[in-house]
Amino acid sequence: DADVTQTPRNRITKTGKRIMLECSQTKGHDRMYWYRQDPGLGLRLIYYSFDVKDINKGEISDGYSVSRQAQAKFSLSLESAIPNQTALYFCATSEAGYNYGYTFGSGTRLTVV
Amino acid sequence: EDQVTQSPEALRLQEGESSSLNCSYTVSGLRGLFWYRQDPGKGPEFLFTLYSAGEEKEKERLKATLTKKESFLHITAPKPEDSATYLCAVLNDYKLSFGAGTTVTVRA
Repeated sequence: DADVTQTPRNRITKTGKRIMLECSQTKGHDRMYWYRQDPGLGLRLIYYSFDVKDINKGEISDGYSVSRQAQAKFSLSLESAIPNQTALYFCATSEAGYNYGYTFGSGTRLTVV
Repeated sequence: EDQVTQSPEALRLQEGESSSLNCSYTVSGLRGLFWYRQDPGKGPEFLFTLYSAGEEKEKERLKATLTKKESFLHITAPKPEDSATYLCAVLNDYKLSFGAGTTVTVRA
């Protein structure tokens, strides 16, 4: 099994619908992150969580919300999807401290029509 | 605000043709510079972390170097399996900030 699992892998949804993307990890890491990737823009941070009771906005949090249900689970919701939220979404985890890179999931490709 | 700029956007190489990718950055309080490899349809895969100017790391045909303002990823005698997008990222107090990446295509 993958260290970081994202579901679904692909999703097409209609404008105005609420959608949830899920992420679970088996790394035992406390820190979890949601990024979106758009062509030419790189990966941008949406939300991050350093432990179960900690939730923080990233650089592009408008239109998104998150839930940290357990150490291993971090979900991203689009309250009312819009077409410019069409992107590739990645969940990542890391250990505390500065010495470690992130472990990424395989991504969710979301299309809003 | 942290900024990471990668160049070129795309690089086409013949097998065996060595080249370098550039990552220039501005960040307050650099905690580390990271290189990742990303294959189509997959998440980024960690390659290297560099912490201080002058540091170098190597892995197979890849070598990463760091100065105070930029990092280079050198690809020596590349093979088709080195084709991927290479991402550079800088770590400040709490998050990784990524560049847009360089897509490398190696032709046999």
